[in-house]
Amino acid sequence: DAGVIQSPRHEVTEMGQEVTLRCKPISGHDYLFWYRQTMMRGLELLIYFNNNVPIDDSGMPEDRFSAKMPNASFSTLKIQPSEPRDSAVYFCASRMTGRGLGKNEQFFGPGTRLTVL
Amino acid sequence: GEDVEQSLFLSVREGDSSVINCTYTDSSSTYLYWYKQEPGAGLQLLTYIFSNMDMKQDQRLTVLLNKKDKHLSLRIADTQTGDSAIYFCAETTYSSASKIIFGSGTRLSIRP
Repeated sequence: DAGVIQSPRHEVTEMGQEVTLRCKPISGHDYLFWYRQTMMRGLELLIYFNNNVPIDDSGMPEDRFSAKMPNASFSTLKIQPSEPRDSAVYFCASRMTGRGLGKNEQFFGPGTRLTVL
Repeated sequence: GEDVEQSLFLSVREGDSSVINCTYTDSSSTYLYWYKQEPGAGLQLLTYIFSNMDMKQDQRLTVLLNKKDKHLSLRIADTQTGDSAIYFCAETTYSSASKIIFGSGTRLSIRP
């Protein structure tokens, strides 16, 4: 299995531009999570989906951020317009619903390093 | 509320044992985890413990759970340079079983 795939791996853009980050979860996984990692704030959960439906978006910082999951094998995180404070590493993770109280292991992608100038 | 705290840095001499500590606030934890993040990579599950256990050992790794004090620790025996990474403590709870609450991570550095 290829694992969780994210693209691009690195993105450099200018303030005000639209940025789209992409994620392909592991086949068969029904949960998908978007995280943001910065030195100042650590690892933050932005939003997660179950069966392509957004369940909890309380971590999305502002209206400039939006996420979609049009099908089970693809999700996007969009920032429009981008600002320098959005610079971070963005991770996508997926997992499969376990039986009962399974260990709920999340599998992380390699991340997208976003730099907004 | 749910909160997981851990110290930010730990420096250990190669060959010694490393002990990374974590405290959490939610007493309804179900599973507690240690994730490892190597430079330039995503997080990977290192080990986990169910909340009704006190200890789990897996080769060089020992996890200790003190539910009374809400304290979790990870001991790495015979620490090697390849153990240099950020280690995240995390939990799931009955009230938020779908997601994992992560701590801020402890950066472990190994000195010769």
